[in-house]
Amino acid sequence: NAGVTQTPKFQVLKTGQSMTLQCAQDMNHNSMYWYRQDPGMGLRLIYYSASEGTTDKGEVPNGYNVSRLNKREFSLRLESAAPSQTSVYFCASSEPRRGLFGNQPQHFGDGTRLSIL
Amino acid sequence: QQQVKQSPQSLIVQKGGISIINCAYENTAFDYFPWYQQFPGKGPALLIAIRPDVSEKKEGRFTISFNKSAKQFSLHIMDSQPGDSATYFCAAPRGNDYKLSFGAGTTVTVRA
Repeated sequence: NAGVTQTPKFQVLKTGQSMTLQCAQDMNHNSMYWYRQDPGMGLRLIYYSASEGTTDKGEVPNGYNVSRLNKREFSLRLESAAPSQTSVYFCASSEPRRGLFGNQPQHFGDGTRLSIL
Repeated sequence: QQQVKQSPQSLIVQKGGISIINCAYENTAFDYFPWYQQFPGKGPALLIAIRPDVSEKKEGRFTISFNKSAKQFSLHIMDSQPGDSATYFCAAPRGNDYKLSFGAGTTVTVRA
């Protein structure tokens, strides 16, 4: 099983260019997430999708858009890239929460390393 | 919004030693506290998690200690091995929102 697959693995953009980061999971999970990872700041949630057709903003959504294309795929789009968006982007998926204490493990892809010049 | 404070930022331990990483969280209506392990060039992977019905959970050489009244939890790595060299992240539910907030990470280096 591939788990969570992200493409591309590396990308360099110029300021103002647009780009879509792709994510697909083969675990039949309902919930999918996009995070960015910056040195000293851990993982910060950009957008979240509880199920196909639904999306919700996370901690740092400005400058990004998402599409939950189907149950497997969740894409992240940068419409006009800025140097502040240079980061490593991770996609994750999980089963939905079960009850009050039923958080389920998140499974991460290996990331897209994005540099914006 | 949930803040999770993790310390130390990095630590170096000799093979066979004990690594200890601490995290503190604010308020949350949910009690689920995972630790993730990340190797260079890879995504984080769940290492161990604890729920509120226990104060300690052990899986092999990894132990979580949980102090609900102090809103603190810690990861202990016993008999540390070079293969444990990685970055470790704690996480906590975000207040009334079951999505996770992550700590800043601790880079552990185990020297042979």
